[in-house]
Amino acid sequence: SAVISQKPSRDICQRGTSLTIQCQVDSQVTMMFWYRQQPGQSLTLIATANQGSEATYESGFVIDKFPISRPNLTFSTLTVSNMSPEDSSIYLCSGKIGWDRGHTEAFFGQGTRLTVV
Amino acid sequence: DAKTTQPPSMDCAEGRAANLPCNHSTISGNEYVYWYRQIHSQGPQYIIHGLKNNETNEMASLIITEDRKSSTLILPHATLRDTAVYYCIGNSGTYKYIFGTGTRLKVLA
Repeated sequence: SAVISQKPSRDICQRGTSLTIQCQVDSQVTMMFWYRQQPGQSLTLIATANQGSEATYESGFVIDKFPISRPNLTFSTLTVSNMSPEDSSIYLCSGKIGWDRGHTEAFFGQGTRLTVV
Repeated sequence: DAKTTQPPSMDCAEGRAANLPCNHSTISGNEYVYWYRQIHSQGPQYIIHGLKNNETNEMASLIITEDRKSSTLILPHATLRDTAVYYCIGNSGTYKYIFGTGTRLKVLA
């Protein structure tokens, strides 16, 4: 198993500003992901964080709005840029051991609750 | 990956078994069924997964029908702490977890 820590756990930000969320995993995971969970909704995958290269974004999400870094196997950041109230959500980091170890589960952080005012 | 369908909500009396159904009629032969739950204000927590055989662990049992078109997650003795949203996910080995709307389980005292 793996433990995923996210910072900050919550923040209130002014519109037009940017917030960087950090995700630290306590063991090496092959894959890391970022999800968004809007109020009262299910989780939506934003992107896959690729080590040492550009992230792979899902439809509807772009790098200019959600730049992602992953410098090594245990750390990733997600930046929410030029925020508007519509960006108010919980942002979750997830890690998964690769398929070369068979079908394994994903692990999730506790999330970052972002409120944009 | 298969689309899954779950009832939006269920109630269960404390101490009784909670049986949460999931329909995945379009599941393909290599897709596993995963179950996660999300307790309020926390990240999703892995519960169990299976391919075609029934599975059991310390948290729950997973019963998959022979045709694999549906499955049931069983919490044998539900407690108040099991109140959560439960997600059933079909996954073939791609990295994408597509979360549906899930079932909001409320365990009643």
